[in-house]
Amino acid sequence: NAGVMQNPRHLVRRRGQEARLRCSPMKGHSHVYWYRQLPEEGLKFMVYLQKENIIDESGMPKERFSAEFPKEGPSILRIQQVVRGDSAAYFCASSPGEVSSYNEQFFGPGTRLTVL
Amino acid sequence: AQSVSQHNHHVILSEAASLELGCNYSYGGTVNLFWYVQYPGQHLQLLLKYFSGDPLVKGIKGFEAEFIKSKFSFNLRKPSVQWSDTAEYFCAVRGNQGGKLIFGQGTELSVKP
Repeated sequence: NAGVMQNPRHLVRRRGQEARLRCSPMKGHSHVYWYRQLPEEGLKFMVYLQKENIIDESGMPKERFSAEFPKEGPSILRIQQVVRGDSAAYFCASSPGEVSSYNEQFFGPGTRLTVL
Repeated sequence: AQSVSQHNHHVILSEAASLELGCNYSYGGTVNLFWYVQYPGQHLQLLLKYFSGDPLVKGIKGFEAEFIKSKFSFNLRKPSVQWSDTAEYFCAVRGNQGGKLIFGQGTELSVKP
C-alpha cells in the first residue's frame, strides 16, 4: 500500500512565478492536510481539505495561496507570484475518511520549494 | 489559541545515555498528543500517540511518553539512545474533534557513537 505521495520533491522558482505542489493521499484516505516548515521552525498548519471541500483554511496566507482537492486526482497547493519568503518545505498528510479522534495523519516526503 | 512548546532546540548525547525531551501544550479541552520523528532526508513518522487511558504510552523503537494532565506535559523518553536515533523530534497536539495538528518547534537530537 503506497504511502502519501508528493511531487515534485524539489521545486525551484524565480520570484513572481507560480508554484504548484501535488499530493496524492494514501489509498482510501479522503482527508488531506497541508503544512509548511520554514527554516529552523516546526511545521505550521495551512489547510485541511476533504474531497471537493475546504474544511479549515485558518493557516493559509490571505493572498497568493490556494488549495484544492478535486473529486478525481491529487490535492494541489498553488502559490502565485512566489516571493523569497515562500521558500520552505511543504508537507502533505492524509487520514481516513471517517472523522474520528483516533485517526492519525500519515505524512508525505514533502516538497522543498526554493525561490530565487 | 493552542500552542506547543518544546524546551530543547538541540540535544547532544552519547550512545547509551538516557533521553528525555520536554513538551508542554496549551489547550483547554481534551487533547490527542503525538510525537513524530524525522530522520535526515526522510518524512515524518509517528513514534507514539496518546488518546485516552493509560497516561504512559509506549511507541516504536523503545520510545515512551507520559501524559501528565496537571502539568500539560507529554515528555518523550528513551532509557538508552543509539546513534540511529539521530533525528528531529516533533511534539504535536490536536483537539479531540479531529483536524489540524499543532506542532512544537522541534528538537534536534544528535547521538555520538
